[in-house]
Amino acid sequence: EVQLVESGGGLVQPGRSLRLSCVASGFSFDDYAMHWVRQAPGKGLEWVSGVSWNGGSIGYADSVKGRFTISRDNAKNSLYLQMNSLRPEDTALYYCAKDRSAWLQLAYSDYWGQGTLVTVSS
Amino acid sequence: ETVMTQSPATLSVSPGERATLSCRASQSVSSYLAWYQQKPGQAPRLLIYGASTRATGIPARFSGSESGTEFTLTISSLQSEDFAVYYCQQYNDWPRTFGQGTKVEIK
Repeated sequence: EVQLVESGGGLVQPGRSLRLSCVASGFSFDDYAMHWVRQAPGKGLEWVSGVSWNGGSIGYADSVKGRFTISRDNAKNSLYLQMNSLRPEDTALYYCAKDRSAWLQLAYSDYWGQGTLVTVSS
Repeated sequence: ETVMTQSPATLSVSPGERATLSCRASQSVSSYLAWYQQKPGQAPRLLIYGASTRATGIPARFSGSESGTEFTLTISSLQSEDFAVYYCQQYNDWPRTFGQGTKVEIK
């Protein structure tokens, strides 16, 4: 059974940093691209960032480019999101999602974790 | 960026009735379109990919179709567990973009 468990969320002041983690199990982690998708309270889904199976291809939404960094450690079956210079508009539930393909192009996400909540407020 | 527009925002349907949800892309996305279901307090669940292929374990009452840049998700006979929010997402180009969602509620 595929499982994705996110952690690292919490309350943080504007301008500060936070690092999210996602531990995967139930599939061969290094065979698939992975993504972060967020959902602001009461709002829709917004893709944030994605990384290919080997970390060689990475993409970011314009809203987080230059502030967030995605990475993965295949030896630890883990995905990360380093979030710097956080803003109140980054407040959201952050989901980790597994892709159906090893690469970022022309692929969709087939499994999602339950999310970790990030609240940016003073 | 490809903008995905879903309609209606809310759909009120009685159990057993048919529900038809629409999603329009601002430009061609070929058939690279997925549908997700999200229930309150839960993560999104993949229903359809490739515009019309059901994901593993998805009941046959869910079907997807396309006509150019217009995509449709049909639920043939709504069950109680189908009342949820549905999102379409294109994965033809970057960034991947979602529609704003359609809430299917009990009439």
